[in-house]
Amino acid sequence: GNSVTQMEGPVTLSEEAFLTINCTYTATGYPSLFWYVQYPGEGLQLLLKATKADDKGSNKGFEATYRKETTSFHLEKGSVQVSDSAVYFCALSASGNQFYFGTGTSLTVIP
Amino acid sequence: GAVVSQHPSRVICKSGTSVKIECRSLDFQATTMFWYRQFPKQSLMLMATSNEGSKATYEQGVEKDKFLINHASLTLSTLTVTSAHPEDSSFYICSAGPYWAGAETQYFGPGTRLLVL
Repeated sequence: GNSVTQMEGPVTLSEEAFLTINCTYTATGYPSLFWYVQYPGEGLQLLLKATKADDKGSNKGFEATYRKETTSFHLEKGSVQVSDSAVYFCALSASGNQFYFGTGTSLTVIP
Repeated sequence: GAVVSQHPSRVICKSGTSVKIECRSLDFQATTMFWYRQFPKQSLMLMATSNEGSKATYEQGVEKDKFLINHASLTLSTLTVTSAHPEDSSFYICSAGPYWAGAETQYFGPGTRLLVL
């Protein structure tokens, strides 16, 4: 079946620190992989995506590479800001356009 | 760009009453929409797939008689929580995408927060 395992949080970092949030998946077929972000009190927003192996998704300084050999899609950012404080969800979609989400990782960036 | 809306954004109801939540695609047609539920500090869990003109497909463990889904048109799906109880309190989110597009073009609604007293 399809599932996503995501690094548990919460994660607290100082501003300008390096961020990594680990995500691994199991899937039937060839899934697309996504990172979504949820700011306090708001809905999900697509952060980045990758649709095939070795693709790198990037947006707003965040990036993640679709690694088929390790079934991973780790999220990274070189220098986080206070405004990056949010909950981050790794997700996959295999067939049918429904999504399977990880448990979410809460990130707090302190000045 | 494509937008998915939900109404209401927040609802408080008494135990035993029914609540209807709407999900609309505003500038595209969607033959399929998805309903998710998010409990506090937990991930989104797929509840059901709403299919225009046919019955919804429910995930294992989701009571179809409690969570009624109607996909009456290509731009509207409704989720009705029947005889709501406090344990149904949650954040309900829908997603939809243009009928011709894949998962990378799915859009999520802003969510509806349900509180059952």
